[in-house]
Amino acid sequence: NAGVTQTPKFQVLKTGQSMTLQCAQDMNHEYMSWYRQDPGMGLRLIHYSVGAGITDQGEVPNGYNVSRSTTEDFPLRLLSAAPSQTSVYFCASRTGEPISGNTIYFGEGSWLTVV
Amino acid sequence: DAKTTQPTSMDCAEGRAANLPCNHSTISGNEYVYWYRQIHSQGPQYIIHGLKNNETNEMASLIITEDRKSSTLILPHATLRDTAVYYCIVRTRSSGSARQLTFGSGTQLTVLP
Repeated sequence: NAGVTQTPKFQVLKTGQSMTLQCAQDMNHEYMSWYRQDPGMGLRLIHYSVGAGITDQGEVPNGYNVSRSTTEDFPLRLLSAAPSQTSVYFCASRTGEPISGNTIYFGEGSWLTVV
Repeated sequence: DAKTTQPTSMDCAEGRAANLPCNHSTISGNEYVYWYRQIHSQGPQYIIHGLKNNETNEMASLIITEDRKSSTLILPHATLRDTAVYYCIVRTRSSGSARQLTFGSGTQLTVLP
């Protein structure tokens, strides 16, 4: 049972480079999201998706793009990396809108350093 | 959106109960309280959630006050592996119809040998 899989786990980028963080889930979850976590802080929502073809901005969306062409995949793109984007990134997924509440499943994280 | 307040850090002796408090005085009637934890360098892990009744599972117990303005996560017999940052979260609504989780800074629980 793979759950939520993120790749790569570690990446170093130069300022201005672009890259894509991959996220895949095998639980047929409708909702997927990307968070970033800076040292000593909680997670902040970047973008989220409520289903294939639908995405929306979270708390800190600037500098990031997402797409949701399939239920399983939710890649996060950095178009022109900046040092301020040095962070740990977590992808998460869950089932649909709850009546009784549901849990979120997180990936193991992707450590990104922009130099 | 309801926000939560947690102590920055707590210590607990190994084998003793760890009681982690959380204040959520602006919680609305249909919002759930969730607890997650994050062990260093790992993704957050779900622990437990509740609406207004006390809940218990294999990991922990959740005690929610009658007015729902605060809650306590109880780890009955803390072990060294329970050392982590514990997040108390109330479901929030972002733009559109989706409900997302807002993470605060959490409580760093250190279990001491």
